[in-house]
Amino acid sequence: TQLLEQSPQFLSIQEGENLTVYCNSSSVFSSLQWYRQEPGEGPVLLVTVVTGGEVKKLKRLTFQFGDARKDSSLHITAAQPGDTGLYLCAGDWSGGYQKVTFGTGTKLQVIP
Amino acid sequence: GAVVSQHPSWVICKSGTSVKIECRSLDFQATTMFWYRQFPKQSLMLMATSNEGSKATYEQGVEKDKFLINHASLTLSTLTVTSAHPEDSSFYICSAGLAGGVNEQFFGPGTRLTVL
Repeated sequence: TQLLEQSPQFLSIQEGENLTVYCNSSSVFSSLQWYRQEPGEGPVLLVTVVTGGEVKKLKRLTFQFGDARKDSSLHITAAQPGDTGLYLCAGDWSGGYQKVTFGTGTKLQVIP
Repeated sequence: GAVVSQHPSWVICKSGTSVKIECRSLDFQATTMFWYRQFPKQSLMLMATSNEGSKATYEQGVEKDKFLINHASLTLSTLTVTSAHPEDSSFYICSAGLAGGVNEQFFGPGTRLTVL
């Protein structure tokens, strides 16, 4: 069973602060996705990374894929209350269109 | 594009009854859909992979006779929780992916099931 560990599990910060969330595994991914989920809703896809070392930016969010494609990070600059939510990474080991495994999740709270 | 809907958004039922949840891909065809279960403050746990025109593939520990999955068309998959009990209360979410390219899934808004 492939496991995806996210850290930290919970994070409560003040508005304007920076933060980084990590997603780690011992297995190599074909691709990895980051999602954000708000209470009572389904996850929303933020980004997909495919190439080792790849960096993608989405406004104040920066996503990085490890060189060995075993880990990934999400960095948020100047966090805002609207960033509050559950952040989930999801890894695809098989390639192509098959099931993915979700990480353990990081609950982020940004206090105004 | 890539919109997935679920119905109902929430349901309350008595113990022993069966509940059907629908998952639809609104603007694309989905050969495969996935059903997840999520407990409060936890991540998503894959229950089964729903394949159009064939039997679903269940994850280890998921009772196939309790969680019946039907994928009758390329835009509709249903999950029926049979003889529901309070421990089945959870947030059920479906997803569908676009064929080809990288493996990206698009999620429905989820269904909150409460069994009394």
